[in-house]
Amino acid sequence: DAGVIQSPRHEVTEMGQEVTLRCKPISGHDYLFWYRQTMMRGLELLIYFNNNVPIDDSGMPEDRFSAKMPNASFSTLKIQPSEPRDSAVYFCASSREKGQPQHFGDGTRLSIL
Amino acid sequence: EDQVTQSPEALRLQEGESSSLNCSYTVSGLRGLFWYRQDPGKGPEFLFTLYSAGEEKEKERLKATLTKKESFLHITAPKPEDSATYLCAVQRFYFSGNTGKLIFGQGTTLQVKP
Repeated sequence: DAGVIQSPRHEVTEMGQEVTLRCKPISGHDYLFWYRQTMMRGLELLIYFNNNVPIDDSGMPEDRFSAKMPNASFSTLKIQPSEPRDSAVYFCASSREKGQPQHFGDGTRLSIL
Repeated sequence: EDQVTQSPEALRLQEGESSSLNCSYTVSGLRGLFWYRQDPGKGPEFLFTLYSAGEEKEKERLKATLTKKESFLHITAPKPEDSATYLCAVQRFYFSGNTGKLIFGQGTTLQVKP
């Protein structure tokens, strides 16, 4: 089976620009998670969905961040406007059920200049 | 507040030199503790889940154990390909107001020299 697929792998853009990160979860997985990883804060959960519905968005840093899951095979994380402090690696993960292990994509390395 | 602390931050071993990584946690109502391996430029890769004190899981040269306050990842006779960052995460039981999200430690970066 194909794993979690994220795109792009790398994104470099200027401050103030809109950034859209994309994720395709593993087929049949009902839970989708967005994480951010930095040296200072480690791996932090931003938001997660169950059956395309956002369940916990308490980790979303501020209103500049938004996430959608229009169907079971696609999700986006959008930052608008972007700021240098948003630079990080963003991971998407999916799991079959809530208590089951999460399977991660290889991430998007985002650099905001 | 839920907290996960991993030690040491970094560990350098010679090939064949066994050692252990520690994951200490404070959480109200542990549902599960997860171990992941992360290679540079990759996402975390699932290794083990432990649910109750006394439980052990093994995979090749790795063995994970769990007590009421900490988990250990024992590495026996490591090889250079075991070099990676090892992450642990805890999950609380989910009930109203707690969605059961994973809380990750900062990781231990292991380097095994030939």
